[in-house]
Amino acid sequence: GAVVSQHPSRVICKSGTSVKIECRSLDFQATTMFWYRQFPKQSLMLMATSNEGSKATYEQGVEKDKFLINHASLTLSTLTVTSAHPEDSSFYICSARVLAASDTQYFGPGTRLTVL
Amino acid sequence: GDSVTQMEGPVTLSEEAFLTINCTYTATGYPSLFWYVQYPGEGLQLLLKATKADDKGSNKGFEATYRKETTSFHLEKGSVQVSDSAVYFCALSVNTGTASKLTFGTGTRLQVTL
Repeated sequence: GAVVSQHPSRVICKSGTSVKIECRSLDFQATTMFWYRQFPKQSLMLMATSNEGSKATYEQGVEKDKFLINHASLTLSTLTVTSAHPEDSSFYICSARVLAASDTQYFGPGTRLTVL
Repeated sequence: GDSVTQMEGPVTLSEEAFLTINCTYTATGYPSLFWYVQYPGEGLQLLLKATKADDKGSNKGFEATYRKETTSFHLEKGSVQVSDSAVYFCALSVNTGTASKLTFGTGTRLQVTL
């Protein structure tokens, strides 16, 4: 099946620093990638949708200047949390979709971010 | 807006017991419905899906039927195993061209014991 990887799996950083999370589709080309945030014992909340070569579309309430998304190729998308604060601590999950008309997404294993 | 409601967990069952995890939804269009499973330390995996009313999705002994009249998509398995212990997410997607997005329920943790 389609495999999506994320790196790093876990990161701890100091308040005020920036953190980059990578999401890669390993054996397929992803026209669209999604970034989610998951709080403890809560559901996945969609943050943004990114299509290769174009600007990401952010969900309402998500600060685009804080959560920078780059989808430079069909196999790589990055999420950068800028000037991170403790409230940004969360589990970040990416997913990838092969075709524009497909409703099947393949998920990465997630990245646990802890901001001290 | 679109939403998914799942029964709260955790659900604890003995091996070989019957499993039901309830899921109901609210959607403005005609959604596709999904069950995803998240095993410890892993990413979400698609378990099964159904794209129209009365469709039954099935995989690995799990089943769910798309019930439009009750707006439900309950997950069932006749005999659970310890290896089924995981978090199960119900989700929907309303396809609006290229903007198809998933809306998830809160997840239900299943713990199966010997």
